[in-house]
Amino acid sequence: GENVEQHPSTLSVQEGDSAVIKCTYSDSASNYFPWYKQELGKRPQLIIDIRSNVGEKKDQRIAVTLNKTAKHFSLHITETQPEDSAVYFCAASREGTYKYIFGTGTRLKVLA
Amino acid sequence: DAGITQSPRHKVTETGTPVTLRCHQTENHRYMYWYRQDPGHGLRLIHYSYGVKDTDKGEVSDGYSVSRSKTEDFLLTLESATSSQTSVYFCAIRDRADTQYFGPGTRLTVL
Repeated sequence: GENVEQHPSTLSVQEGDSAVIKCTYSDSASNYFPWYKQELGKRPQLIIDIRSNVGEKKDQRIAVTLNKTAKHFSLHITETQPEDSAVYFCAASREGTYKYIFGTGTRLKVLA
Repeated sequence: DAGITQSPRHKVTETGTPVTLRCHQTENHRYMYWYRQDPGHGLRLIHYSYGVKDTDKGEVSDGYSVSRSKTEDFLLTLESATSSQTSVYFCAIRDRADTQYFGPGTRLTVL
């Protein structure tokens, strides 16, 4: 069936370094790719998203890149800070349908 | 927060008892979802709804039923709770831009 693979499952970086989380999707019809951040005990919250007509999107220290040919998309966080520590989920979706496939999450630890 | 509330926020119950969780939204979104979140499994879809009285199963629907009699309310029922249903349950809506927004979650413990 359709799935989204997310790597790594855990990631530790020093404060100020960059972090990269990668996702691969199987449904070639997917055209919307959101990223969520979930802090301990809280709900997942959207931090950035990208649609298939765009290759890259940035929002301050966060960026997402999409390679439709390879069916990969990645989250890039620059100048990491302790408050970036959380679990990050990617997802792939087909616009206009109910389908929303989540990756299994990456636990990011930013070490001070 | 996209106007989503869940009730109760915490519940402890005993095996075999029925449990109903409520999700309420204030912004008239068509799509609503119920997920469960367990360590090592991420977010797994239980059921979803695409309109009043229109619901369908997700990947982990066994032991769960849902109802949507009004646009704003989506109920999840565990007919006879089991310990394997101990989890955190999140409701979500999907807006017209296809983005899902989550409710605050319900922590359910089945003893």
